[in-house]
Amino acid sequence: DTGVSQDPRHKITKRGQNVTFRCDPISEHNRLYWYRQTLGQGPEFLTYFQNEAQLEKSRLLSDRFSAERPKGSFSTLEIQRTEQGDSAMYLCASSHKTGAGNTIYFGEGSWLTVV
Amino acid sequence: EDQVTQSPEALRLQEGESSSLNCSYTVSGLRGLFWYRQDPGKGPEFLFTLYSAGEEKEKERLKATLTKKESFLHITAPKPEDSATYLCAVQAGGGSYIPTFGRGTSLIVHP
Repeated sequence: DTGVSQDPRHKITKRGQNVTFRCDPISEHNRLYWYRQTLGQGPEFLTYFQNEAQLEKSRLLSDRFSAERPKGSFSTLEIQRTEQGDSAMYLCASSHKTGAGNTIYFGEGSWLTVV
Repeated sequence: EDQVTQSPEALRLQEGESSSLNCSYTVSGLRGLFWYRQDPGKGPEFLFTLYSAGEEKEKERLKATLTKKESFLHITAPKPEDSATYLCAVQAGGGSYIPTFGRGTSLIVHP
């Protein structure tokens, strides 16, 4: 059973460029999450999918951020017109729909540095 | 709004010196409380899920407990390899399945 896979692991980009991250969840996990984490902080929720439907999006999320999950499998997170404040680790997580507590499992993260 | 506060922010222990990390939470109907371990530059690694007050779970030198207001992660006779940041998260009941995380406790265990 492979874990959550994220690509690329590291990305350095110039301010104003667009970047895209990909996440492949654990097989058969129907819920997929994106979080952002900066140094010394806990993961901060960005958005959440159940199958292909984007059910929630953080109020703090800029319009420059967009996420998709076509066919309910992998997901992409795109950041347009990157700013230095976007530098962070972007974490993807997935979980399986159950009746009990919804444990989410994280990937290794994608580091973004905007210069 | 769900809130999670972890203390202390940082903890230094000598190898073998047992201690506890605290996670205080405010949530509307707890669905689950989660503990994760995070090594530098890596994603959080799942440790435990607790569902109701009084529940306890153990894994090697770690033991997690839960009350109606807080959770403790007890570390017994820690080793240097236990050094990491430990994250706590809560998930409320109802239709939302989004865990809210605390800022974590950075643990360093000296040999």
